[in-house]
Amino acid sequence: TQLLEQSPQFLSIQEGENLTVYCNSSSVFSSLQWYRQEPGEGPVLLVTVVTGGEVKKLKRLTFQFGDARKDSSLHITAAQPGDTGLYLCAGAGYLQTGANNLFFGTGTRLTVIP
Amino acid sequence: NAGVTQTPKFQVLKTGQSMTLQCAQDMNHNSMYWYRQDPGMGLRLIYYSASEGTTDKGEVPNGYNVSRLNKREFSLRLESAAPSQTSVYFCASKIRQGRMEKLFFGSGTQLSVL
Repeated sequence: TQLLEQSPQFLSIQEGENLTVYCNSSSVFSSLQWYRQEPGEGPVLLVTVVTGGEVKKLKRLTFQFGDARKDSSLHITAAQPGDTGLYLCAGAGYLQTGANNLFFGTGTRLTVIP
Repeated sequence: NAGVTQTPKFQVLKTGQSMTLQCAQDMNHNSMYWYRQDPGMGLRLIYYSASEGTTDKGEVPNGYNVSRLNKREFSLRLESAAPSQTSVYFCASKIRQGRMEKLFFGSGTQLSVL
Protein backbone atom coordinates (compact mmCIF):
# COMPACT_ATOMS: atom_id res chain seq x y z
CA THR A 1 0.00 0.00 0.00
CA GLN A 2 1.28 3.45 -0.91
CA LEU A 3 0.34 5.83 1.88
CA LEU A 4 -0.68 9.45 1.39
CA GLU A 5 -0.85 11.54 4.52
CA GLN A 6 -2.91 14.70 4.43
CA SER A 7 -2.57 17.64 6.79
CA PRO A 8 -4.30 19.12 8.54
CA GLN A 9 -6.92 16.45 9.24
CA PHE A 10 -9.48 19.11 10.25
CA LEU A 11 -9.60 22.80 9.37
CA SER A 12 -12.17 25.36 10.42
CA ILE A 13 -11.78 28.87 9.06
CA GLN A 14 -13.76 32.07 8.57
CA GLU A 15 -15.17 33.03 5.19
CA GLY A 16 -12.62 35.06 3.22
CA GLU A 17 -9.52 33.45 4.72
CA ASN A 18 -6.91 31.58 2.72
CA LEU A 19 -5.82 28.02 3.44
CA THR A 20 -3.47 25.30 2.23
CA VAL A 21 -3.93 21.55 2.47
CA TYR A 22 -0.97 19.22 2.08
CA CYS A 23 -0.69 15.69 0.72
CA ASN A 24 2.59 13.87 1.37
CA SER A 25 4.02 10.46 0.61
CA SER A 26 7.33 8.65 0.41
CA SER A 27 6.17 7.05 -2.85
CA VAL A 28 6.40 8.46 -6.35
CA PHE A 29 3.15 8.73 -8.29
CA SER A 30 2.64 8.99 -12.05
CA SER A 31 -0.19 11.44 -11.46
CA LEU A 32 -2.13 12.89 -8.58
CA GLN A 33 -5.77 13.84 -8.26
CA TRP A 34 -7.78 15.95 -5.83
CA TYR A 35 -11.40 15.18 -4.99
CA ARG A 36 -14.04 16.96 -2.90
CA GLN A 37 -16.68 14.97 -1.07
CA GLU A 38 -19.85 16.36 0.48
CA PRO A 39 -21.83 14.57 3.22
CA GLY A 40 -23.84 11.64 1.91
CA GLU A 41 -22.22 11.77 -1.50
CA GLY A 42 -19.28 10.20 -3.29
CA PRO A 43 -16.05 12.08 -4.09
CA VAL A 44 -16.05 14.32 -7.14
CA LEU A 45 -12.88 14.90 -9.13
CA LEU A 46 -11.52 18.46 -9.03
CA VAL A 47 -8.23 18.18 -10.89
CA THR A 48 -5.50 15.86 -12.15
CA VAL A 49 -1.82 16.85 -12.20
CA VAL A 50 0.65 14.70 -14.09
CA THR A 51 3.98 16.53 -14.33
CA GLY A 52 6.38 17.23 -11.47
CA GLY A 53 6.14 20.92 -10.53
CA GLU A 54 2.85 21.36 -12.38
CA VAL A 55 0.47 24.05 -11.13
CA LYS A 56 -3.21 24.10 -12.05
CA LYS A 57 -5.79 26.71 -11.12
CA LEU A 58 -9.51 26.16 -10.83
CA LYS A 59 -11.10 29.53 -9.97
CA ARG A 60 -9.98 30.19 -6.34
CA LEU A 61 -8.30 26.78 -6.00
CA THR A 62 -4.61 26.27 -6.87
CA PHE A 63 -3.15 22.78 -7.07
CA GLN A 64 0.55 21.98 -7.20
CA PHE A 65 2.34 18.67 -7.82
CA GLY A 66 5.74 18.38 -6.14
CA ASP A 67 8.85 18.32 -8.29
CA ALA A 68 9.61 14.75 -7.21
CA ARG A 69 5.96 13.70 -7.70
CA LYS A 70 5.69 12.55 -4.07
CA ASP A 71 3.57 15.38 -2.70
CA SER A 72 0.95 17.93 -3.59
CA SER A 73 -0.80 20.95 -2.16
CA LEU A 74 -4.18 22.58 -2.54
CA HIS A 75 -4.47 26.31 -1.82
CA ILE A 76 -7.83 28.02 -1.54
CA THR A 77 -8.00 31.80 -1.74
CA ALA A 78 -10.82 33.69 -0.03
CA ALA A 79 -12.65 30.58 1.13
CA GLN A 80 -16.44 30.47 0.76
CA PRO A 81 -19.00 28.37 2.69
CA GLY A 82 -19.52 26.40 -0.51
CA ASP A 83 -15.92 25.15 -0.21
CA THR A 84 -16.90 23.16 2.89
CA GLY A 85 -16.30 19.45 2.45
CA LEU A 86 -13.84 16.58 2.69
CA TYR A 87 -10.84 17.02 0.40
CA LEU A 88 -9.04 13.88 -0.72
CA CYS A 89 -5.83 13.52 -2.66
CA ALA A 90 -5.22 10.34 -4.64
CA GLY A 91 -2.01 9.13 -6.26
CA ALA A 92 -1.75 6.78 -9.22
CA GLY A 93 0.47 3.84 -8.31
CA TYR A 94 0.52 0.05 -8.37
CA LEU A 95 -0.92 -2.77 -6.33
CA GLN A 96 1.35 -5.62 -5.24
CA THR A 97 -0.03 -7.54 -8.23
CA GLY A 98 1.38 -4.86 -10.54
CA ALA A 99 -2.05 -3.58 -11.50
CA ASN A 100 -2.72 0.16 -11.59
CA ASN A 101 -4.41 1.60 -8.53
CA LEU A 102 -5.45 4.97 -7.18
CA PHE A 103 -4.30 5.32 -3.56
CA PHE A 104 -6.35 7.80 -1.56
CA GLY A 105 -5.10 10.11 1.13
CA THR A 106 -6.40 10.28 4.68
CA GLY A 107 -8.55 13.35 3.94
CA THR A 108 -8.89 16.94 5.18
CA ARG A 109 -12.27 18.04 6.47
CA LEU A 110 -12.72 21.75 5.78
CA THR A 111 -15.42 23.90 7.37
CA VAL A 112 -15.82 27.48 6.20
CA ILE A 113 -17.81 29.55 8.67
CA PRO A 114 -19.94 32.37 7.18
CA ASN B 1 -27.97 11.75 -15.95
CA ALA B 2 -28.00 8.91 -13.38
CA GLY B 3 -24.25 8.14 -13.52
CA VAL B 4 -23.44 5.51 -10.86
CA THR B 5 -26.34 4.22 -8.79
CA GLN B 6 -25.88 2.25 -5.56
CA THR B 7 -28.43 0.46 -3.43
CA PRO B 8 -29.21 0.36 -0.58
CA LYS B 9 -28.28 3.72 0.93
CA PHE B 10 -28.23 2.38 4.50
CA GLN B 11 -28.07 -1.14 5.94
CA VAL B 12 -27.76 -2.65 9.40
CA LEU B 13 -26.69 -6.28 9.71
CA LYS B 14 -26.05 -8.66 12.56
CA THR B 15 -22.73 -10.46 12.72
CA GLY B 16 -22.82 -13.47 10.42
CA GLN B 17 -25.57 -12.22 8.15
CA SER B 18 -24.98 -11.89 4.42
CA MET B 19 -25.95 -9.20 1.96
CA THR B 20 -25.23 -7.89 -1.52
CA LEU B 21 -24.59 -4.27 -2.40
CA GLN B 22 -25.77 -3.37 -5.87
CA CYS B 23 -24.13 -0.95 -8.30
CA ALA B 24 -25.03 0.08 -11.83
CA GLN B 25 -23.57 2.67 -14.21
CA ASP B 26 -25.10 4.06 -17.37
CA MET B 27 -21.96 5.66 -18.87
CA ASN B 28 -20.79 2.56 -20.80
CA HIS B 29 -17.51 2.45 -18.84
CA ASN B 30 -15.45 -0.72 -18.94
CA SER B 31 -13.86 -0.43 -15.48
CA MET B 32 -15.76 -0.55 -12.19
CA TYR B 33 -14.57 -0.48 -8.58
CA TRP B 34 -15.66 -1.08 -5.01
CA TYR B 35 -14.09 1.00 -2.22
CA ARG B 36 -14.62 1.24 1.49
CA GLN B 37 -14.17 4.51 3.37
CA ASP B 38 -13.20 4.56 7.04
CA PRO B 39 -12.44 7.66 9.15
CA GLY B 40 -8.83 8.78 8.85
CA MET B 41 -8.02 6.13 6.25
CA GLY B 42 -9.32 7.55 3.01
CA LEU B 43 -10.81 5.14 0.48
CA ARG B 44 -9.36 1.67 0.04
CA LEU B 45 -9.95 -0.54 -2.97
CA ILE B 46 -11.74 -3.81 -2.24
CA TYR B 47 -12.19 -5.32 -5.72
CA TYR B 48 -12.25 -4.04 -9.24
CA SER B 49 -13.34 -5.17 -12.67
CA ALA B 50 -11.29 -3.91 -15.59
CA SER B 51 -13.84 -5.16 -18.09
CA GLU B 52 -16.96 -7.28 -18.34
CA GLY B 53 -16.16 -10.84 -17.31
CA THR B 54 -13.07 -10.03 -15.21
CA THR B 55 -12.64 -9.25 -11.52
CA ASP B 56 -9.51 -8.77 -9.41
CA LYS B 57 -8.57 -8.20 -5.80
CA GLY B 58 -7.68 -4.76 -4.55
CA GLU B 59 -6.01 -3.65 -1.32
CA VAL B 60 -8.51 -5.13 1.17
CA PRO B 61 -10.43 -8.03 -0.46
CA ASN B 62 -10.76 -10.41 2.51
CA GLY B 63 -14.35 -11.12 3.52
CA TYR B 64 -15.82 -9.89 0.23
CA ASN B 65 -16.80 -11.31 -3.16
CA VAL B 66 -17.86 -9.53 -6.32
CA SER B 67 -19.76 -10.27 -9.50
CA ARG B 68 -19.57 -8.33 -12.75
CA LEU B 69 -23.00 -9.28 -13.99
CA ASN B 70 -22.72 -7.35 -17.26
CA LYS B 71 -21.09 -4.14 -18.43
CA ARG B 72 -23.48 -2.02 -16.37
CA GLU B 73 -23.62 -3.89 -13.07
CA PHE B 74 -21.01 -4.77 -10.46
CA SER B 75 -22.15 -6.18 -7.12
CA LEU B 76 -20.33 -6.64 -3.81
CA ARG B 77 -21.27 -9.50 -1.47
CA LEU B 78 -20.53 -9.97 2.20
CA GLU B 79 -21.01 -13.67 2.92
CA SER B 80 -20.69 -13.48 6.70
CA ALA B 81 -20.62 -9.92 7.94
CA ALA B 82 -18.25 -8.92 10.74
CA PRO B 83 -18.16 -5.72 12.84
CA SER B 84 -14.85 -4.83 11.13
CA GLN B 85 -16.85 -4.44 7.90
CA THR B 86 -18.79 -1.51 9.32
CA SER B 87 -17.95 1.22 6.83
CA VAL B 88 -19.22 3.36 3.99
CA TYR B 89 -18.99 1.54 0.68
CA PHE B 90 -18.60 3.31 -2.66
CA CYS B 91 -18.92 1.96 -6.14
CA ALA B 92 -17.19 3.78 -8.98
CA SER B 93 -16.69 3.51 -12.71
CA LYS B 94 -13.74 4.88 -14.63
CA ILE B 95 -13.05 6.52 -17.96
CA ARG B 96 -9.50 6.71 -19.28
CA GLN B 97 -8.30 9.22 -21.88
CA GLY B 98 -4.59 8.89 -22.54
CA ARG B 99 -2.76 9.52 -19.25
CA MET B 100 -5.87 11.03 -17.70
CA GLU B 101 -8.30 8.90 -15.71
CA LYS B 102 -11.53 9.97 -14.05
CA LEU B 103 -13.51 8.06 -11.46
CA PHE B 104 -17.24 8.57 -11.12
CA PHE B 105 -18.57 7.58 -7.70
CA GLY B 106 -21.98 6.55 -6.49
CA SER B 107 -23.45 8.14 -3.37
CA GLY B 108 -22.42 5.30 -1.07
CA THR B 109 -23.90 2.66 1.21
CA GLN B 110 -23.53 3.15 4.95
CA LEU B 111 -23.26 -0.32 6.48
CA SER B 112 -23.31 -1.10 10.19
CA VAL B 113 -22.57 -4.61 11.44
CA LEU B 114 -23.63 -5.21 15.03
